Amino acid sequence: DGGITQSPKYLFRKEGQNVTLSCEQNLNHDAMYWYRQDPGQGLRLIYYSQIVNDFQKGDIAEGYSVSREKKESFPLTVTSAQKNPTAFYLCASSGHRETHEQYFGPGTRLTVT
Amino acid sequence: AQKITQTQPGMFVQEKEAVTLDCTYDTSDPSYGLFWYKQPSSGEMIFLIYQGSYDQQNATEGRYSLNFQKARKSANLVISASQLGDSAMYFCAMRERDTNAGKSTFGDGTTLTVKP
Repeated sequence: DGGITQSPKYLFRKEGQNVTLSCEQNLNHDAMYWYRQDPGQGLRLIYYSQIVNDFQKGDIAEGYSVSREKKESFPLTVTSAQKNPTAFYLCASSGHRETHEQYFGPGTRLTVT
Repeated sequence: AQKITQTQPGMFVQEKEAVTLDCTYDTSDPSYGLFWYKQPSSGEMIFLIYQGSYDQQNATEGRYSLNFQKARKSANLVISASQLGDSAMYFCAMRERDTNAGKSTFGDGTTLTVKP
């Protein structure tokens, strides 16, 4: 059963702590993405990776970091430098060479207090 | 400048009727792709339909069709025979060729409510 998993679904942290969100895919897709979604708004790209051991900043990368050591995995770390980290985080992957449609995980809702 | 514009924050439709969700885009790239995604209240984004800028025919996928008007730079989603399960947020997105492969820009979304 191919797909993208994100864990946990809900995450609570204290301000000042780093937190890592997990994203795993078994679709054999080369490209993976992290988005942030705030209530009632669209998706904003944080980081993306087209291939293992390579990744690029998206539109709102400040305060976030990623790694891509394996094709299947693209974890996102929300650092204490992120000023407003409470949000819904979505991970996606794409593999079609022409259309590049994205397939998403169920998301992680992060609350920082 | 906004690359994807969805002007309808919310839409209502009666069950079994058709509904059109609007999307306009802005690009100078002659090669691009347009997507529609559905986001139910659970939060997961679901890919619905794709239209390439060079495609001669409008894309269709089951009850979904994309009304692509290239000169007007619009890519409206048409849902026929609406069902209660269609109630969700819908996002239009665009990928331009001169950006890194797969990187897409999303609109702000339209919330669709299907009334019984």
